[in-house]
Amino acid sequence: ELKVEQNPLFLSMQEGKNYTIYCNYSTTSDRLYWYRQDPGKSLESLFVLLSNGAVKQEGRLMASLDTKARLSTLHITAAVHDLSATYFCAVEEVGSGNTPLVFGKGTRLSVIA
Amino acid sequence: DTEVTQTPKHLVMGMTNKKSLKCEQHMGHRAMYWYKQKAKKPPELMFVYSYEKLSINESVPSRFSPECPNSSLLNLHLHALQPEDSALYLCASSETPSYEQFFGPGTRLTVL
Repeated sequence: ELKVEQNPLFLSMQEGKNYTIYCNYSTTSDRLYWYRQDPGKSLESLFVLLSNGAVKQEGRLMASLDTKARLSTLHITAAVHDLSATYFCAVEEVGSGNTPLVFGKGTRLSVIA
Repeated sequence: DTEVTQTPKHLVMGMTNKKSLKCEQHMGHRAMYWYKQKAKKPPELMFVYSYEKLSINESVPSRFSPECPNSSLLNLHLHALQPEDSALYLCASSETPSYEQFFGPGTRLTVL
C-alpha cells in the first residue's frame, strides 16, 4: 500500500526566508504532483513531476523529484505573505488498480512579517 | 474551456433530504473523480469514473450514489446523510486515469 508522508505539517516562516517542504513515499512511482489550497478553497495544481531528476520552478517555488530516494522537495525562496496556504503532495500509484492518487497530509504554511 | 465547475457552491440539508451535487467539465477528459475533504485534512477519494464507467469505489456508504450521465457530467446523489458527512466535496477530472487531475471549486455541504 502506497503511503505518502510530508514534513513538516506546520511551518511558520518569516518573509524573505528560504525553506523546504519534504514529501516521501513508500513504493515505486514516477509521477508526483504538488497542489496548493487556500482556506475554504479548492486545490490548485502547482507542479507535475513525471521523471527522476525532474525540476520545475514557478516564481518563488521550485519542486524536484528523486524517484530513487522516493523523495520530492518543494523549495520556497524569499517567502512572501501571499504564499501562506496548505501545500499537498500527491503520488500516483501506477498500474495497481488501487487509489490512483494518494495525498500527503499537507503542510500548512504561514508566512509572517 | 479549461475548468471544472461544480454546483451548488453551498448546500445545507436535513438528514431526511435527497439532494444532488453536480460537476461538469468540457476539456474532453475521460476520467472524473469525487473526493470528500474534512477541515484540515487531505482529500479522500470516494469514486472514480473512467470512460463513463465506475472504476473505483472506495468503500463509500450507499447513502452516496454517483452517476455519470455522459463524459462531461458527474453527479453525486445524496440521501439520508449524517451530520458527520458535512465536508467539502470536490470533483476532479483528468485526461485519463493516469494524468494530472484538475479540481473544481467544491461544494460545501452541511448536514443538520
